[in-house]
Amino acid sequence: DQQVKQNSPSLSVQEGRISILNCDYTNSMFDYFLWYKKYPAEGPTFLISISSIKDKNEDGRFTVFLNKSAKHLSLHIVPSQPGDSAVYFCAAENQGGKLIFGQGTELSVKP
Amino acid sequence: DTGVSQNPRHKITKRGQNVTFRCDPISEHNRLYWYRQTLGQGPEFLTYFQNEAQLEKSRLLSDRFSAERPKGSFSTLEIQRTEQGDSAMYLCASSFHRVGRTGELFFGEGSRLTVL
Repeated sequence: DQQVKQNSPSLSVQEGRISILNCDYTNSMFDYFLWYKKYPAEGPTFLISISSIKDKNEDGRFTVFLNKSAKHLSLHIVPSQPGDSAVYFCAAENQGGKLIFGQGTELSVKP
Repeated sequence: DTGVSQNPRHKITKRGQNVTFRCDPISEHNRLYWYRQTLGQGPEFLTYFQNEAQLEKSRLLSDRFSAERPKGSFSTLEIQRTEQGDSAMYLCASSFHRVGRTGELFFGEGSRLTVL
């Protein structure tokens, strides 16, 4: 069973516009959520996180929004830059402290 | 300390052979995780350690897979009698766990296994 889902395998946006990546989860016990970014031939790197007690967390061009009632989170990147082109994974932390990852969304930012 | 280190980066083997991957975590991190990633999928949890204790193993980890972290520092992941379905990227990650919060995981670059 896929507890964390990213239903869009790919997203293409123009440089300077907003990128919105979405993620849905099924387990209401998840209480911490993270976004990771992955370039080819590299391991995932941490981008931004949010606790379930918040509904928004911002870090520079990156903002994560959490809607607990809908079990949905999203990552906004504004303005998008060509260097943001990568695969983005959302992840949720369960009670045991391990992360469950979504399938990933490949973002392409075109100049 | 430059981060999580994994070796080898790429291993090609024939079906039925045994392979071993090594992971050196960030030195002050007490937790170490193994994940597996196949094309088009996100990392799938395999197992994790807190210091030298293996706290959880996924159902994905068949009897052919074994992981150790003998002194609470580096870890090895061994796959015996490899099958073509074992072909994947094996990712190691470490974190500093505090009570109530795992903290972000820092990943290595991965070890890619190709089973012919």
